[in-house]
Amino acid sequence: DAGITQSPRHKVTETGTPVTLRCHQTENHRYMYWYRQDPGHGLRLIHYSYGVKDTDKGEVSDGYSVSRSKTEDFLLTLESATSSQTSVYFCAISIQGKETQYFGPGTRLLVL
Amino acid sequence: DQQVKQNSPSLSVQEGRISILNCDYTNSMFDYFLWYKKYPAEGPTFLISISSIKDKNEDGRFTVFLNKSAKHLSLHIVPSQPGDSAVYFCAASGSGGTSYGKLTFGQGTILTVHP
Repeated sequence: DAGITQSPRHKVTETGTPVTLRCHQTENHRYMYWYRQDPGHGLRLIHYSYGVKDTDKGEVSDGYSVSRSKTEDFLLTLESATSSQTSVYFCAISIQGKETQYFGPGTRLLVL
Repeated sequence: DQQVKQNSPSLSVQEGRISILNCDYTNSMFDYFLWYKKYPAEGPTFLISISSIKDKNEDGRFTVFLNKSAKHLSLHIVPSQPGDSAVYFCAASGSGGTSYGKLTFGQGTILTVHP
């Protein structure tokens, strides 16, 4: 158990509204990631962080921003939600930036 | 461009038999490969991994084989059990200091093991 929690677990929102998802870890790991899972695509990397205030874009970063002001929290923000951002979002951590990642339980987001 | 592909969306196997899940990749810079298992409404859980310096890695009922020349890996589950029914994802990572452990995932294969 990597001590990862995500909140909220489920959210329904309307197109055009901002949404923030939170990932919280209890082990003080330096590396954190946000993925989205969609049918036919597997998991795709949105953004990742390699330290406090150190973040970078992943494969599908358009329409998303992130912030990491504390080691334990990694926030994903949809500035203006669109229906194409309806998805399941997973947060992950890795230990020392190694390849094996451990995932949180996910947030199911529906944008109407 | 899908750099990691799982061409079989689903696989159905009888309990006690072998399950073989396949994965192909195109990026020759990938040098570390992982398999994850995912149950509905849960996050993916790490199953087994293999480095490109090896061609086989075993952990109990799970064995991963890597064929670098063919850019192909497979996961063997023997014997298969009903509790193995889940979605299986393969993932790949490139080496180097700037990789930060980033993973590229395949689309997933739904494994169903019938009692």
